[in-house]
Amino acid sequence: GQQVQQSPASLVLQEGENAELQCNFSTSLNSMQWFYQRPGGSLVSLFYNPSGTKHSGRLTSTTVIKERRSSLHISSSQTTDSGTYLCALEPNTNTGKLTFGDGTVLTVKP
Amino acid sequence: GPKVLQIPSHQIIDMGQMVTLNCDPVSNHLYFYWYKQILGQQMEFLVNFYNGKVMEKSKLFKDQFSVERPDGSYFTLKIQPTALEDSAVYFCASSSGGALGDTQYFGPGTRLLVL
Repeated sequence: GQQVQQSPASLVLQEGENAELQCNFSTSLNSMQWFYQRPGGSLVSLFYNPSGTKHSGRLTSTTVIKERRSSLHISSSQTTDSGTYLCALEPNTNTGKLTFGDGTVLTVKP
Repeated sequence: GPKVLQIPSHQIIDMGQMVTLNCDPVSNHLYFYWYKQILGQQMEFLVNFYNGKVMEKSKLFKDQFSVERPDGSYFTLKIQPTALEDSAVYFCASSSGGALGDTQYFGPGTRLLVL
């Protein structure tokens, strides 16, 4: 089965609403990395989060290893937040290889 | 944040030809990666590279693929010969930590179309 599962697959919000994106994993991890993929395709690193909670502006990432999940919270969404959000698991195998989820496509309407 | 550059941004070639994709990683990084994303599909790991050697490669890294970083210049992915199924966006990434764990920074991708 797939090692990294993201949910929801897509999400539509009105501007100002909050979003909660989930990533569940089935193997042991070294860390979880969250990316924003622009409509043109390029990736922006949002968080490198091995465990616990990290904040960056309106974004919060929480990784709970025992529960095998990581989440990305976006508060007060803006239209410019629209795009695809990817989580990627770095397994505990000392190679740095990332295994990606399928992504959540977020659309924020004005 | 740190920038990874990729050249070219787009490449169209005929099946059977050779192609070299170039990556200029973040300057003090030691670990380099290639990933492949077919349009509308999941990003998938191809290979990682450290200290002049391949550390791990996936099933997607066929015998026709090779990587190198001669004299600390570009980190390259060469495909020879190319096949239709090689059409995809190829992303290069680099990190400083490797086995220690660290943020991977991605380039903007090279869009390869094999006709």
